[in-house]
Amino acid sequence: AQTVTQSQPEMSVQEAETVTLSCTYDTSESNYYLFWYKQPPSRQMILVIRQEAYKQQNATENRFSVNFQKAAKSFSLKISDSQLGDTAMYFCAFIEVDSNYQLIWGAGTKLIIKP
Amino acid sequence: GAGVSQTPSNKVTEKGKYVELRCDPISGHTALYWYRQSLGQGPEFLIYFQGTGAADDSGLPNDRFFAVRPEGSVSTLKIQRTERGDSAMYLCASSGTESPGELFFGEGSRLTVL
Repeated sequence: AQTVTQSQPEMSVQEAETVTLSCTYDTSESNYYLFWYKQPPSRQMILVIRQEAYKQQNATENRFSVNFQKAAKSFSLKISDSQLGDTAMYFCAFIEVDSNYQLIWGAGTKLIIKP
Repeated sequence: GAGVSQTPSNKVTEKGKYVELRCDPISGHTALYWYRQSLGQGPEFLIYFQGTGAADDSGLPNDRFFAVRPEGSVSTLKIQRTERGDSAMYLCASSGTESPGELFFGEGSRLTVL
């Protein structure tokens, strides 16, 4: 069965520090997409970053980057120069290309950025 | 509209009452999802629409829950005989066909059953 595991229920760092959120997943497929979604307190969920499994190059979006290790089925999110607005729940998810619609979600990591 | 719109944002009801939650997706998005989310948890899949039809309703917890999308745009999630355990945030998301897994979420409807 496909699963996503986020082993850090909660993390806390000082503003401007770098933080890495862990995610591992399990699938028997080779063609899939991986995502990190962010849900700020009382605000809507938004997509942070996306990675295609067939691409070896790690995706980056400004201060957000991933470390995608396909063989290890690991997909961590690094946030550089963290800001107070990064405080949120972060969810790791993936979708198998053949599935076309069914996202598999992790339980989330609560990230707190302290001033 | 520019984004996914959900109404009401908050709904307080009494046990046993009927509730409707509405979702207006991004124009042109054929895929629409309903999720339920409890505090501190990840989204729990309820139902997925592709166009007008429910392509997958396997996440609906029981027959008190029903959802429709009659014209392939706006969707309504209907909950009959509400129970206290139904209290949660109900999230709607829509997606285009060109980017699987890239969901655009609404702000959610928080349901409280007293």
